[in-house]
Amino acid sequence: KAGVTQTPRYLIKTRGQQVTLSCSPISGHRSVSWYQQTPGQGLQFLFEYFSETQRNKGNFPGRFSGRQFSNSRSEMNVSTLELGDSALYLCASSWDTYYNEQFFGPGTRLTVL
Amino acid sequence: AQSVTQLDSQVPVFEEAPVELRCNYSSSVSVYLFWYVQYPNQGLQLLLKYLSGSTLVKGINGFEAEFNKSQTSFHLRKPSVHISDTAEYFCAAAGETSGSRLTFGEGTQLTVNP
Repeated sequence: KAGVTQTPRYLIKTRGQQVTLSCSPISGHRSVSWYQQTPGQGLQFLFEYFSETQRNKGNFPGRFSGRQFSNSRSEMNVSTLELGDSALYLCASSWDTYYNEQFFGPGTRLTVL
Repeated sequence: AQSVTQLDSQVPVFEEAPVELRCNYSSSVSVYLFWYVQYPNQGLQLLLKYLSGSTLVKGINGFEAEFNKSQTSFHLRKPSVHISDTAEYFCAAAGETSGSRLTFGEGTQLTVNP
């Protein structure tokens, strides 16, 4: 069974640009969550999508948005990039909710210059 | 809401020694606890989880953890570590109303020296 895949793996952008990251969950998984990992703030929850609907949202500004498609693939978008958005963005998929194991992808390393 | 605190940011140990990574949590509702491991340049891998039942939970790679409700702790242990266990370890919590949302601790870097 293929794992969670994230594309691209590495990305370099400049301040003010926007970026879109993609996540393909494990086949059959309906929940996709996104996390931001930085040395200073650690792992922070961005949002979760389930069956194309945002089910949960963390405390991030509106510049961070996401969506989920009918095949459960998910994208997250960050507009008007800031230096502080440099981070590893991790996607996790699971069958449904907390008692189902979440499988994490390798992440997308975003660098904002 | 939950919060998770990992009491040690770095734990150096020698190979074949036992190790304990400490995690405390706080929650106003029933909490479910997890330990994840992250190797360099990789995502997170689940080591073990506590949902209910026996308070001693066994996971992969010889790790185990004990849920202690009175002390609000979920410490991770391994009786004998290997060089390959060098990685960052994260304790995480979820609640009945949080869906798949995990609240993570700050992480503990375990370094196993020969």
